[in-house]
Amino acid sequence: GENVEQHPSTLSVQEGDSAVIKCTYSDSASNYFPWYKQELGKGPQLIIDIRSNVGEKKDQRIAVTLNKTAKHFSLHITETQPEDSAVYFCAASKGSGGATNKLIFGTGTLLAVQP
Amino acid sequence: GAVVSQHPSWVICKSGTSVKIECRSLDFQATTMFWYRQFPKQSLMLMATSNEGSKATYEQGVEKDKFLINHASLTLSTLTVTSAHPEDSSFYICSAGTTQYFGPGTRLTVL
Repeated sequence: GENVEQHPSTLSVQEGDSAVIKCTYSDSASNYFPWYKQELGKGPQLIIDIRSNVGEKKDQRIAVTLNKTAKHFSLHITETQPEDSAVYFCAASKGSGGATNKLIFGTGTLLAVQP
Repeated sequence: GAVVSQHPSWVICKSGTSVKIECRSLDFQATTMFWYRQFPKQSLMLMATSNEGSKATYEQGVEKDKFLINHASLTLSTLTVTSAHPEDSSFYICSAGTTQYFGPGTRLTVL
């Protein structure tokens, strides 16, 4: 079945630096790649997503890139702030609705932004 | 984004009892909802896909008779953990919507 690998498992950066988290998926039929931020004791919050017909998407300090050939996608956070500290999960799915929309999650990255 | 709520946010129960968790889509209708389980410092694992008006689809290794799912309306799905045991203690999270929005989660502790 589909497998999503995520690296690194922990990432510590200084405030203002950039952070990059990388994921690799196994199923070439996957076409939807969301990123979630999860704070302690809370549910995951969608922060950005990308579909397979797009190579890059940006929303203010957050960007996601997708390389379909290599089956890689990455999250880029620029000008990091202490409030960016959280666990980040990548995910992949191969549907646009219904049961085929089920997400396969990466293992998570604990991001710590040092003031 | 869309809002998904869960109730209760936390519950403590005795071993052998059943616990029901509700998941609601507040500002949209959802024919499909998903239930996940998350153990401490681990990723989210999909348990089942909840389909309005039909039976849920369970992932391999998830006992359908233990984790009962009912999706009776387009805005409500429930997960009932039957005969709960300490190993069922976990963080249960639902999601809904084509672009999956997650609820705040329910912390279940079984004594």
